[in-house]
Amino acid sequence: QKEVEQDPGPLSVPEGAIVSLNCTYSNSAFQYFMWYRQYSRKGPELLMYTYSSGNKEDGRFTAQVDKSSKYISLFIRDSQPSDSATYLCAMKWGTSGSRLTFGEGTQLTVNP
Amino acid sequence: DTAVSQTPKYLVTQMGNDKSIKCEQNLGHDTMYWYKQDSKKFLKIMFSYNNKELIINETVPNRFSPKSPDKAHLNLHINSLELGDSAVYFCASSQDFMNTEAFFGQGTRLTVV
Repeated sequence: QKEVEQDPGPLSVPEGAIVSLNCTYSNSAFQYFMWYRQYSRKGPELLMYTYSSGNKEDGRFTAQVDKSSKYISLFIRDSQPSDSATYLCAMKWGTSGSRLTFGEGTQLTVNP
Repeated sequence: DTAVSQTPKYLVTQMGNDKSIKCEQNLGHDTMYWYKQDSKKFLKIMFSYNNKELIINETVPNRFSPKSPDKAHLNLHINSLELGDSAVYFCASSQDFMNTEAFFGQGTRLTVV
């Protein structure tokens, strides 16, 4: 069993839709949760970062963490064609020397 | 001005060859990483260096050897390339090994034929 599970998609939505991307994890030691966005033929870039349960909002993006259920989500409101990319969740045990464990990534296409 | 740069961007080579990928970061970060992304987009760490010292060495074949001449550079040398080595290799850096934000390079697309 993978430590981090993420539906690879592909997910296709119309412009303006609300997008929900999810990851589940099995290791309760994970404390830090991130979402990376990766455009085609580019490296991943950090989109959102949180270390506590609850919601964190940044513009059209909301990251949600439920540690009791070992479940994290990324919501994109008013999705735009420029949001078309692969979204990877990533997790880390702690700050001291631990590595990022990535999900498989969900490929999202927002159609104009 | 590119923060994390890798060369080459594309690499096509025959089985059995030896090749190197270079990485440089101009962010002043202490920690650098090599990740491998397979055809299914799964990104997995291979190595991490902090101030030129190896701190993470995942289970990868010993044909893969990282080298960090200084903290701004982390190169990856691969001996006796195999078909299964075909993937995109990403270099990344972070401020230090405690920091959660990693900055990635554009990737090197390696194809072994």
